[in-house]
Amino acid sequence: DTGVSQNPRHKITKRGQNVTFRCDPISEHNRLYWYRQTLGQGPEFLTYFQNEAQLEKSRLLSDRFSAERPKGSFSTLEIQRTEQGDSAMYLCASSLNPSLSPLHFGNGTRLTVT
Amino acid sequence: DQQVKQNSPSLSVQEGRISILNCDYTNSMFDYFLWYKKYPAEGPTFLISISSIKDKNEDGRFTVFLNKSAKHLSLHIVPSQPGDSAVYFCAASARNNNDMRFGAGTRLTVKP
Repeated sequence: DTGVSQNPRHKITKRGQNVTFRCDPISEHNRLYWYRQTLGQGPEFLTYFQNEAQLEKSRLLSDRFSAERPKGSFSTLEIQRTEQGDSAMYLCASSLNPSLSPLHFGNGTRLTVT
Repeated sequence: DQQVKQNSPSLSVQEGRISILNCDYTNSMFDYFLWYKKYPAEGPTFLISISSIKDKNEDGRFTVFLNKSAKHLSLHIVPSQPGDSAVYFCAASARNNNDMRFGAGTRLTVKP
């Protein structure tokens, strides 16, 4: 069990640029989540996949954000036309069925938009 | 829309004593509750959970208590150790909802 892996660990970008993050979940986990965390706050839910299907998206997720999980394994989160307000820690988590299972988080990607 | 609240941003206790971290929630549909621990530069790590059919769950030094009528849960750590110093997040979810909600966290410092 290598845990949830996220790349890159840090990303600094200029406002208006596009960025893409990758998440590799624990191999036997079919559920994958993206969360965002800002300073002094807990993680906020962004979106959720079961296998390759994106089943839920938060109202927080603007149309500049898109997530994919094409083969039901790794996932990518893309932010287009980044804004300074997008600066945050982006966390990926995975879990098993059934629904009452803990989420296992990666170490996150810290995005800084200058 | 803060459905999970941790009203104490920080807590300091002496090594060997009990640490009690508190959490309140507002959504009566929540039926699964968890505590996570987070060290700097790492993601949150699952610590302990409890379902709404129980009022207590114990795992070694960690015990979670759930009071459904008060919509309150707490995490007890006894005895506290310096390695327990971290930020602790309370989280909750509902069976038919995949949106796990987190509190803002409590920073625990255990002094030697």
